[in-house]
Amino acid sequence: QVQLVESGGGVVQPGGSLRLSCAASGFTFSSYGMHWVRQAPGKGLEWVAFIRYDGSNKYYADSVKGRFTISRDNSKNTLYLQMNSLRAEDTAVYYCAKVVVAYSSSGEIDYWGQGTLVTVSS
Amino acid sequence: SSELTQDPAVSVALGQTVRITCQGDSLRSYYASWYQQKPGQAPVLVIYGKNNRPSGIPDRFSGSSSGNTASLTITGAQAEDEADYYCNSRDSSGNPWVFGGGTKLTVL
Repeated sequence: QVQLVESGGGVVQPGGSLRLSCAASGFTFSSYGMHWVRQAPGKGLEWVAFIRYDGSNKYYADSVKGRFTISRDNSKNTLYLQMNSLRAEDTAVYYCAKVVVAYSSSGEIDYWGQGTLVTVSS
Repeated sequence: SSELTQDPAVSVALGQTVRITCQGDSLRSYYASWYQQKPGQAPVLVIYGKNNRPSGIPDRFSGSSSGNTASLTITGAQAEDEADYYCNSRDSSGNPWVFGGGTKLTVL
């Protein structure tokens, strides 16, 4: 069965950095685009970033552009999110998520991890 | 602010039909996908594409679209359908994708 397991969350000071990982299993990771989506405490879902199945294209929300970098290692079935210059408003649960259709650049997500909490606070 | 607009809260009597809507300019060109999220849990995809249900999603969930509005309809709402519902689609204002603000569904 499909499993997405995020790790790397924690408490970080404003201006600091953190790297999230998402270990994927149960499907051919190298065939699927992947998203990061976040949810601030008590708030709605916010799309953060997307990477194509082969890593050739990456897209970012305006709120994180220039500070966050999405990447993947298809040999390790792992998705990453490097987060720099963190701000209080980046505090959220971060989910990695898989698109429905192989080889597509789509916002349709059929599997989500359980999320990892990032808290930006001094 | 989100470019997809949802009503913050909707209620429905047990067994009745409820429609949750999502409005946005991008919906004239792209389908919305719909997600159900219960407290403390990750979202679950319930509808995608024109009107596709993933395996395991009851057929009381259906999707439709007209003009700039996408709709999620629950026909015969059950107590377990009480949750937050989010739409997602392309964004017409710059970001590739955007989620609606979410609708809290209460089943009375």
